[in-house]
Amino acid sequence: QKEVEQDPGPLSVPEGAIVSLNCTYSNSAFQYFMWYRQYSRKGPELLMYTYSSGNKEDGRFTAQVDKSSKYISLFIRDSQPSDSATYLCAMSGALTGGGNKLTFGTGTQLKVEL
Amino acid sequence: NAGVTQTPKFRVLKTGQSMTLLCAQDMNHEYMYWYRQDPGMGLRLIHYSVGEGTTAKGEVPDGYNVSRLKKQNFLLGLESAAPSQTSVYFCASTQDPGRPPRDEQYFGPGTRLTVT
Repeated sequence: QKEVEQDPGPLSVPEGAIVSLNCTYSNSAFQYFMWYRQYSRKGPELLMYTYSSGNKEDGRFTAQVDKSSKYISLFIRDSQPSDSATYLCAMSGALTGGGNKLTFGTGTQLKVEL
Repeated sequence: NAGVTQTPKFRVLKTGQSMTLLCAQDMNHEYMYWYRQDPGMGLRLIHYSVGEGTTAKGEVPDGYNVSRLKKQNFLLGLESAAPSQTSVYFCASTQDPGRPPRDEQYFGPGTRLTVT
């Protein structure tokens, strides 16, 4: 069983829709939770970062963490064609050699259509 | 400020050939990482470095070696390439892992490697 599970999609929605992306995890040692966005043939870039259970909002994006259920979500309101990308959840935990390791979900491919 | 750069962008190797992928960052970050990304597998950590002159194994290190002779550069080597190493390779760096928000990992644009 993978430490982080994420539905790969693809997910296709009309412009203006609310999008919900989700990940579950099994390792209770994960401390911080992130969402990265990856456009086609590009490197991932950080979109949202949350440290604890609860919600965090940034413009059209809301990240939600439920540590008791080991479940995180990303909501996109008023989705735009420019939101079409792969969204990767990532979770941070300690590396034995020092520093922190990110464990990534497989990514959900999102397409927002006109 | 270029961030994280990777060379080359694309490469095709024959089985058994060797090559080195170069990652460079201009943000004075201590920590650098090499990942591979495969369909259905997500990003997996190959090797990482917590500072100049140090390296450590990640979760999929077999078949790869790394070196960090200068703080700004992190090299990934394939001594004898195998078809199983066909993948997209990403380098990342961070300032201060485990201390948000300074631990954001910045990724390079990737190297697409095909081994035939």
